[in-house]
Amino acid sequence: DGGITQSPKYLFRKEGQNVTLSCEQNLNHDAMYWYRQDPGQGLRLIYYSQIVNDFQKGDIAEGYSVSREKKESFPLTVTSAQKNPTAFYLCASTTAGGIREQYFGPGTRLTVT
Amino acid sequence: GQQVMQIPQYQHVQEGEDFTTYCNSSTTLSNIQWYKQRPGGHPVFLIQLVKSGEVKKQKRLTFQFGEAKKNSSLHITATQTTDVGTYFCAGRVYNQGGKLIFGQGTELSVKP
Repeated sequence: DGGITQSPKYLFRKEGQNVTLSCEQNLNHDAMYWYRQDPGQGLRLIYYSQIVNDFQKGDIAEGYSVSREKKESFPLTVTSAQKNPTAFYLCASTTAGGIREQYFGPGTRLTVT
Repeated sequence: GQQVMQIPQYQHVQEGEDFTTYCNSSTTLSNIQWYKQRPGGHPVFLIQLVKSGEVKKQKRLTFQFGEAKKNSSLHITATQTTDVGTYFCAGRVYNQGGKLIFGQGTELSVKP
């Protein structure tokens, strides 16, 4: 059963702590993306990777970091430098060609207090 | 930077009424995609429009891409409670690879 998994579904952290969100896909997709979703603001792109060992900053990369050591995995670290980290984080992947529709994971809701 | 504006932000309708959401881009798009996110869920791909002036239908949903490839709309005829959710447009800009620019979304609620 192919798809994208994100874990955990809910995550609570204290301010000042780094936290890593997991994203794994078994769709054999080349490209992977991280978005942040806040009420009324749609999806904003944090980082994306079109190939293993390469990634690019999106529109709101400050305070975040990523790695792409394996095709299947694209973890996102929310660092203590992120001013307002509480949000719903969505991971997505696409094929390299064709329509390139984005397949989304179920999301991780991060709360930092 | 490039932006895709989507209106309205919220729409409340009586079941059976029609619904339309509109997207406008600041730049010409190579294509536009539409997604639906059910409450508590994640966005799911609905359709992609590529050609200038293109119109596509999926049952009660009609999608349009403007002649200038800068705007798009989604129209739902005779809404049902199963249509509840947030609808997003997402535009792809030329020479930006696979990156999509999402609109803010329109949250649709349907009163039975």
